Amino acid sequence: AAGVIQSPRHLIKEKRETATLKCYPIPRHDTVYWYQQGPGQDPQFLISFYEKMQSDKGSIPDRFSAQQFSDYHSELNMSSLELGDSALYFCASSILAGVLTNEQFFGPGTRLTVL
Amino acid sequence: SQQGEEDPQALSIQEGENATMNCSYKTSINNLQWYRQNSGRGLVHLILIRSNEREKHSGRLRVTLDTSKKSSSLLITASRAADTASYFCATEEANFGNEKLTFGTGTRLTIIP
Repeated sequence: AAGVIQSPRHLIKEKRETATLKCYPIPRHDTVYWYQQGPGQDPQFLISFYEKMQSDKGSIPDRFSAQQFSDYHSELNMSSLELGDSALYFCASSILAGVLTNEQFFGPGTRLTVL
Repeated sequence: SQQGEEDPQALSIQEGENATMNCSYKTSINNLQWYRQNSGRGLVHLILIRSNEREKHSGRLRVTLDTSKKSSSLLITASRAADTASYFCATEEANFGNEKLTFGTGTRLTIIP
């Protein structure tokens, strides 16, 4: 069965550079979530999109922005990277429309290292 | 403080023994989910329990939910070396349009062969 795809899997950037992370949800899923997991930390919710509109926002820095495109894939854009942005970034997708229980399916994550 | 806090933070047991991990949360929830994560890798969904359910089983996993105490437990029976991982609980708050997951701090489980 198709799973959530994230690219790239690994990314190394220098401070003050920009990075773009991509997420391809499971086909027919209408909702995408982004989470950030720092070293030794629990995942923290960043932002979510439902039907291409932002649906919820968590602890996402102003330097980050995200969007969901017409094909439902999502991109997380990160600018002016800081050392503290080094983390695993997970994308998850789910079906919300007409579903009582929201099970989120997680991608393998993108490991971002900022030097 | 965290919406979800897990207890213990670390647990080491002998292979074959049972492992129990606990999770507490603060708000009303729609459901609670348990995930496993091997070191630095992706999150694997284990089991979801709805707020109107009290107990759920899946293979060697048993999850309980006590909404009056705002707590859940994950029991892994007959543990195996391959169960070594970090285990997180995550809650979906009971607010319409707020389906994000809030993760607990995790329990690091080590199974000693």
